[in-house]
Amino acid sequence: QKEVEQDPGPLSVPEGAIVSLNCTYSNSAFQYFMWYRQYSRKGPELLMYTYSSGNKEDGRFTAQVDKSSKYISLFIRDSQPSDSATYLCAMSDPGGYQKVTFGTGTKLQVIP
Amino acid sequence: DGGITQSPKYLFRKEGQNVTLSCEQNLNHDAMYWYRQDPGQGLRLIYYSQIVNDFQKGDIAEGYSVSREKKESFPLTVTSAQKNPTAFYLCASSISQVYEQYFGPGTRLTVT
Repeated sequence: QKEVEQDPGPLSVPEGAIVSLNCTYSNSAFQYFMWYRQYSRKGPELLMYTYSSGNKEDGRFTAQVDKSSKYISLFIRDSQPSDSATYLCAMSDPGGYQKVTFGTGTKLQVIP
Repeated sequence: DGGITQSPKYLFRKEGQNVTLSCEQNLNHDAMYWYRQDPGQGLRLIYYSQIVNDFQKGDIAEGYSVSREKKESFPLTVTSAQKNPTAFYLCASSISQVYEQYFGPGTRLTVT
């Protein structure tokens, strides 16, 4: 079993829809949770990170962490064609080792 | 403009040849990382460096080597010992917190 599981998609939604992207994980030591956006043939771009449980909002993006269920989500409101990309979740254990565990990514397509 | 540069964008090599991928950052970040990305897999850590003249192996260091002689630069050499070198290579840096990494645009290496 992988430490981080992420549905690869693709996920196709109409423009303006609310998008929900999710990851599950097995390592209860993870404390930092990140979301990256990666356009085709480009490097990942950090969207946001959260510490421990709770929600964090940044514009149209909301990250949610449920540590009791080992489940994290990224919501995109009013989705735009420019949001079409692969979204990677990532997690880190603050135990001192400089390691981030990445999900495989979910490919999102927002259709105009 | 601050950022991370990787060169070249595309690289082609014959099997048995060593090849060096460049990574430069002007963000004044202390930590730098090298990842490999393959289809259907999450990013995998090859090497990381927290300070100049010091670096540690990641999860898949076999067949790779690095140096960190300057804060701004962290080149990766893919040696002929790497059994499956064709991949997309990503360099990242962070001030110190591993959960806030910023990525370069990547180098796609093809070995035939």
